[in-house]
Amino acid sequence: NAGVTQTPKFQVLKTGQSMTLQCAQDMNHEYMSWYRQDPGMGLRLIHYSVGAGITDQGEVPNGYNVSRSTTEDFPLRLLSAAPSQTSVYFCASSYFGENTEAFFGQGTRLTVV
Amino acid sequence: AQKITQTQPGMFVQEKEAVTLDCTYDTSDQSYGLFWYKQPSSGEMIFLIYQGSYDEQNATEGRYSLNFQKARKSANLVISASQLGDSAMYFCAMRLFGNEKLTFGTGTRLTIIP
Repeated sequence: NAGVTQTPKFQVLKTGQSMTLQCAQDMNHEYMSWYRQDPGMGLRLIHYSVGAGITDQGEVPNGYNVSRSTTEDFPLRLLSAAPSQTSVYFCASSYFGENTEAFFGQGTRLTVV
Repeated sequence: AQKITQTQPGMFVQEKEAVTLDCTYDTSDQSYGLFWYKQPSSGEMIFLIYQGSYDEQNATEGRYSLNFQKARKSANLVISASQLGDSAMYFCAMRLFGNEKLTFGTGTRLTIIP
């Protein structure tokens, strides 16, 4: 019973490098999202998807791209990493519904040097 | 836009005592849900409890209860008989009905003292 799986758990990038954070869920959830967690700021929404082929921007989308070709996968791409993108990234998924909680992945700690 | 405020950056509580973590929210919508999540030092986000804006009873889940005061726009988490394993960061979050986006507060770091 995997739930939401994020890879990698840790990553160090040099400024300007690109990379993709992977997220997969096996619960057939329609909704998936990416958050970043920074000290003193809680979790902030980067991008989200309400189903395969549909994505939209959240609160802090700049510097990130997403796509959703399948229900299960929702990768987050950093096109040209910047030190300001040093953060912990969480992928989450949920069913649609009023009282459905979001399930989170284990998080990816990204450092950009 | 919605806003969640958690005014206690950190709290220290003696083991076995009850603890209340404060959460106030701001929205002009009438239909919404409120969530509490726990983040232990290992980093994962664990769902604790949910309260809908139309729920007449305060939500309870084991040792967790939610003190929901709609008129005051507060949704405080109460943990009864605290345990060492309750030491963690706690986040309050909100979601409007029909919109799956969660808005989080800045969190409260709870430390249980033996």
